Amino acid sequence: GQQLNQSPQSMFIQEGEDVSMNCTSSSIFNTWLWYKQDPGEGPVLLIALYKAGELTSNGRLTAQFGITRKDSFLNISASIPSDVGIYFCAGRYGGSQGNLIFGKGTKLSVKP
Amino acid sequence: DAGITQSPRHKVTETGTPVTLRCHQTENHRYMYWYRQDPGHGLRLIHYSYGVKDTDKGEVSDGYSVSRSKTEDFLLTLESATSSQTSVYFCAIRTGRNIQYFGAGTRLSVL
Repeated sequence: GQQLNQSPQSMFIQEGEDVSMNCTSSSIFNTWLWYKQDPGEGPVLLIALYKAGELTSNGRLTAQFGITRKDSFLNISASIPSDVGIYFCAGRYGGSQGNLIFGKGTKLSVKP
Repeated sequence: DAGITQSPRHKVTETGTPVTLRCHQTENHRYMYWYRQDPGHGLRLIHYSYGVKDTDKGEVSDGYSVSRSKTEDFLLTLESATSSQTSVYFCAIRTGRNIQYFGAGTRLSVL
């Protein structure tokens, strides 16, 4: 079946640092979504991308739909403590009836 | 929260007992989904519905059944719960732009 490879699996951040994560696939996707999940809650949508090359921002978050349509990137600038959580990418490919495939998540923690 | 309510939020049950989880939406969306979330696996689709009485299987449907007799309710049933079904279950709805919004989840423990 379709798979998304999300990296890194985890990372530690220090307040003020920029953070980058990405998702890649061997298949072409026509929609990329990025979600954040806090402990004990459901995933919350951060950014939606619909076109190859599209670059979209939501506050300090910026996401890009890769030109090859097989990848997507999420950047967080000037991280703050409340950025801690798990970030998921999700992709929708043609013929999937709109169903999403999810990456396994990137866990952001504060550097001790 | 896209008007999604999951119940119960927490449940502990014994192996072999039937369990039903409920997802209720208030915004009349056609598509509804059930996922399970496990460490190391992310979110995996169990079943989805594209209308009243219209459902289909997802990636991990074995041991689960669903029903949708009304637009607003989507039920997930474990006919005979097993320990491997201990998980966090999320319901989602899909909007017109193919965005899925999630409920707060149900944490199920099968002992």
